[in-house]
Amino acid sequence: ETGVTQSPTHLIKTRGQQVTLRCSSQSGHNTVSWYQQALGQGPQFIFQYYREEENGRGNFPPRFSGLQFPNYSSELNVNALELDDSALYLCASSTYRGNRMNTEAFFGQGTRLTVV
Amino acid sequence: AQTVTQSQPEMSVQEAETVTLSCTYDTSESDYYLFWYKQPPSRQMILVIRQEAYKQQNATENRFSVNFQKAAKSFSLKISDSQLGDAAMYFCAYRSSNKIIFGKGTRLHILP
Repeated sequence: ETGVTQSPTHLIKTRGQQVTLRCSSQSGHNTVSWYQQALGQGPQFIFQYYREEENGRGNFPPRFSGLQFPNYSSELNVNALELDDSALYLCASSTYRGNRMNTEAFFGQGTRLTVV
Repeated sequence: AQTVTQSQPEMSVQEAETVTLSCTYDTSESDYYLFWYKQPPSRQMILVIRQEAYKQQNATENRFSVNFQKAAKSFSLKISDSQLGDAAMYFCAYRSSNKIIFGKGTRLHILP
């Protein structure tokens, strides 16, 4: 049990709609990262949040945005959904200490998003 | 840019036997971490083992061990005494500052 929880577990949306995915980080962790895992692929880094600010971003367009709250939980928002956004979205929490990231990231079970 | 390559899309092993999953990576950094993650059908990514690049000694966790060859940029995972519960996707991963870079994975089948 890693303590990272994501909601919802499954979601179906129509192309062009907007979606919000939620993540509660493991107790004691102050950093949340989001990953997109397409079918048959490894996860791809979307972005990371630390101290409620974006702390690094992968190769994803601006319609992917996020938030981190004072309790370290996080949201991933995707606007103008496209069919290719269909994927498993994974949240991972860890601890950032100074300029050195904690080595371990703990993942949630993910949200399966289907865009039709 | 850092990359992680897993050249074996699928592997099978007989229960109780030993299997080795291969991984190579590319980086210009000298200090980094490498991981093997397991993803069962439940979808949750579970950390199996980690290796710190500055440590020459290979990491071991019970039945799981790695062969870390820093000069060759190779990081293979050996699973001894394979069990049915080991069946899953296995991802090799590299930690680069604030993100983790994953390979495409190897699906491991355990034959009873």
